[in-house]
Amino acid sequence: QSALTQPASVSGSPGQSITISCTGTNSDIGNYNLVSWYQQRPGKAPQLMIYEGSKRPSGVSDRFSGSKSGNTASLTISGLQAEDEAEYYCCSYAGRSTVAFGGGTKLTVL
Amino acid sequence: QVQLVESGGGVVQPGRSLRLSCAASGFTSSSYGIHWVRQAPGKGLEWVAVIWYDGSNKNYADSVKGRFTMSRDNSKNTLYLQMNSLGVEDTAVYYCARDAGGFSSRWYPDYWGQGTLVTVSS
Repeated sequence: QSALTQPASVSGSPGQSITISCTGTNSDIGNYNLVSWYQQRPGKAPQLMIYEGSKRPSGVSDRFSGSKSGNTASLTISGLQAEDEAEYYCCSYAGRSTVAFGGGTKLTVL
Repeated sequence: QVQLVESGGGVVQPGRSLRLSCAASGFTSSSYGIHWVRQAPGKGLEWVAVIWYDGSNKNYADSVKGRFTMSRDNSKNTLYLQMNSLGVEDTAVYYCARDAGGFSSRWYPDYWGQGTLVTVSS
């Protein structure tokens, strides 16, 4: 059971767009359309932002979008706002009834 | 509204046991699988275990297999995580989280509790 690989940090200015990558293998991301993304603010529980690769739960801003290509999933946040500053985690079904998370990416809004 | 409330965390010595509880409300908990996910201080999320909606199947991360056991009492809308042979590496906030899929697992949590802190220390 291996963790998915995310960059440790990304940053952007208000109004800009950023993309966070999440790299797995053909045993997890590459084999299933079951990637989800979570936002976590300090001291808080994770919040679902994207599921099944590109779908947004009700209430999540359309500035958040997800995609996948091969073994890599991506989360894009457009029109960055100060409130987007948080830690972001990707998650994927990894087969054999297991789940893998990425190591997390700290987003800083400059 | 969907609520998950964990309890049972605390300070425990290495090698001892602890049982966490997760009380579910605001939805028909007997229709959903539940995950446990943990987060060591200053670290990322780590998936720990899952139990099917009816308790018929469970699965565990390699790091806890053989030491942790999930169970559920659907009559009480409560899930449990029995943790044995605890080591310092098990120190973390433990979250219970609802699988989004209901009877058919979708393998991602949609609602999370606020977590309970387990500290393993002598």
